[in-house]
Amino acid sequence: NAGVTQTPKFQVLKTGQSMTLQCAQDMNHEYMSWYRQDPGMGLRLIHYSVGAGITDQGEVPNGYNVSRSTTEDFPLRLLSAAPSQTSVYFCASNGGTEAFFGQGTRLTVV
Amino acid sequence: AQTVTQSQPEMSVQEAETVTLSCTYDTSESDYYLFWYKQPPSRQMILVIRQEAYKQQNATENRFSVNFQKAAKSFSLKISDSQLGDAAMYFCASDAGGTSYGKLTFGQGTILTVHP
Repeated sequence: NAGVTQTPKFQVLKTGQSMTLQCAQDMNHEYMSWYRQDPGMGLRLIHYSVGAGITDQGEVPNGYNVSRSTTEDFPLRLLSAAPSQTSVYFCASNGGTEAFFGQGTRLTVV
Repeated sequence: AQTVTQSQPEMSVQEAETVTLSCTYDTSESDYYLFWYKQPPSRQMILVIRQEAYKQQNATENRFSVNFQKAAKSFSLKISDSQLGDAAMYFCASDAGGTSYGKLTFGQGTILTVHP
């Protein structure tokens, strides 16, 4: 049982480039979410999904897009990377008792 | 909107001693959930303990226990018999439940150092 698989683990982007962070879970959870972690600020919710075809914005959604075409996958897209998006990103899924997190992606935008 | 505040950026403890990490929260919900997560240098987020707001009894998991004061909106974590492996960043988090279930609000984190 893999749990939550998040790729890549590390990424360096140039300002203006686009990329997609992948997230997949094999626990058949309905709830999935993306967070970013910045020093001194804890984790903040970017986007959220309660099931396939349903997404909602979190606290810091600007600059990020999501879609949920299947229960398993919840990719996060950066359309035009900015230095302010340098952060550690976590994907999480929740089946009703607790959130399970991916290993995180350290993204640096130069 | 929920808020979670951890007022201790850093804490330290001697091995085998007890340490308490503080957390306060604010929510307008009546049915919510509170969590403590541990983040070691590996970056992995690990659930330490979970508390349902409707339960008056404090949650306990081996050496980890909480002091849940609902009226005061306080949720502290006590680590007994501290071990070197407990050294990590600890996050307090809340889940509003209901239609917002699964949306976690995190505190700023507390770095715990364990001295041998």
